[in-house]
Amino acid sequence: DTEVTQTPKHLVMGMTNKKSLKCEQHMGHRAMYWYKQKAKKPPELMFVYSYEKLSINESVPSRFSPECPNSSLLNLHLHALQPEDSALYLCASSQGVRRGIYNEQFFGPGTRLTVL
Amino acid sequence: AQTVTQSQPEMSVQEAETVTLSCTYDTSESNYYLFWYKQPPSRQMILVIRQEAYKQQNATENRFSVNFQKAAKSFSLKISDSQLGDTAMYFCAFMKHNNAGNMLTFGGGTRLMVKP
Repeated sequence: DTEVTQTPKHLVMGMTNKKSLKCEQHMGHRAMYWYKQKAKKPPELMFVYSYEKLSINESVPSRFSPECPNSSLLNLHLHALQPEDSALYLCASSQGVRRGIYNEQFFGPGTRLTVL
Repeated sequence: AQTVTQSQPEMSVQEAETVTLSCTYDTSESNYYLFWYKQPPSRQMILVIRQEAYKQQNATENRFSVNFQKAAKSFSLKISDSQLGDTAMYFCAFMKHNNAGNMLTFGGGTRLMVKP
């Protein structure tokens, strides 16, 4: 199994809603990532988890709350989002976070989020 | 901080012809990795090719090859025998390692259209 899966594919939520995005991989990777991608822009790193611990938070607002329950699963909890948070949210994984080419990142198909 | 520049926002090529996408980067690191990712309209980010900075030999993957000029900080992608399925957004990416994780910095992207 060489893929990263993300659910749901599409999500529409109001500014007062609480929702969660889910990401799963079964490649034995120990690093997982959340990216935000606005239309016609490159992905921007949000969070990095290494061995289920948060290692990088790129100054993301607290209305985004990541969680890594185990090495295969990564969640992104959403609360009180703003319309400008509408974007494609991409999850990625890599074998680890050590130096080396084998730490290339494999991406999931993304969740298209719309905040009304 | 690293920056990655893709100077061609859009390009087009006839099917079966060859096209080159340019990428330049700026870094003070000596050991790093470079990637080209493809993102078709289906939005899945797919790794096309990778290059380790300490390797002088240019990477090749079937119809895809790179011209890596380390001194000039240039990393262009050549697609030979272009196919309709090559139509996508192409992102050049720089990866550096720090103790917290591997961080990808993407260029702004080049939208490639392969015409029949």
